[in-house]
Amino acid sequence: ILNVEQSPQSLHVQEGDSTNFTCSFPSSNFYALHWYRWETAKSPEALFVMTLNGDEKKKGRISATLNTKEGYSYLYIKGSQPEDSATYLCALRYGQNFVFGPGTRLSALP
Amino acid sequence: GAVVSQHPSWVICKSGTSVKIECRSLDFQATTMFWYRQFPKQSLMLMATSNEGSKATYEQGVEKDKFLINHASLTLSTLTVTSAHPEDSSFYICSASQSPPAGIPLYGYTFGSGTRLTVV
Repeated sequence: ILNVEQSPQSLHVQEGDSTNFTCSFPSSNFYALHWYRWETAKSPEALFVMTLNGDEKKKGRISATLNTKEGYSYLYIKGSQPEDSATYLCALRYGQNFVFGPGTRLSALP
Repeated sequence: GAVVSQHPSWVICKSGTSVKIECRSLDFQATTMFWYRQFPKQSLMLMATSNEGSKATYEQGVEKDKFLINHASLTLSTLTVTSAHPEDSSFYICSASQSPPAGIPLYGYTFGSGTRLTVV
């Protein structure tokens, strides 16, 4: 069974701090890597989809990179705000199926 | 954007009873529905995949007679946990996909908001 890992499991940052976390996976053929933002009691919200080695995506203060050769993706948040508090999931997509990581829970404190 | 409505958001039931969870796609046709569960501090794990009008495909280790999936229409899929036991207590969440538009290789997956099931 493919294992997708995320680190750290959780972290607390102060408002205004920049932060990043990691999704790591065994190098293998997969269709795409997805990042989701999941607030409590809400639906996971799609952030990014990346497919190619070296892909970089950006959405406002959040960006992500993909390194398929070494098996990792980074998610960066610049200038954290309290509304960034959520669990950030990464998932590898094989065909129609996803393999999810356990998530990184971010608390951005005012 | 695409929305999937999942109900109930939480349910407590007695051991031995059955519980039905619904996922409805509100503004698109969900040709495929995925059902996941998540135990505490673990990842979302795929339970089954269902295509509208067909029997669901279950992942290894998931009992099809215990977790009944119905996907009779393009906007509704249900998961029924039959004869629930405390070990079935978990977080269940659905994800729907639309038919891919022609020529676009990546298409969206929209999640419901999940159901927390507690069996006492």
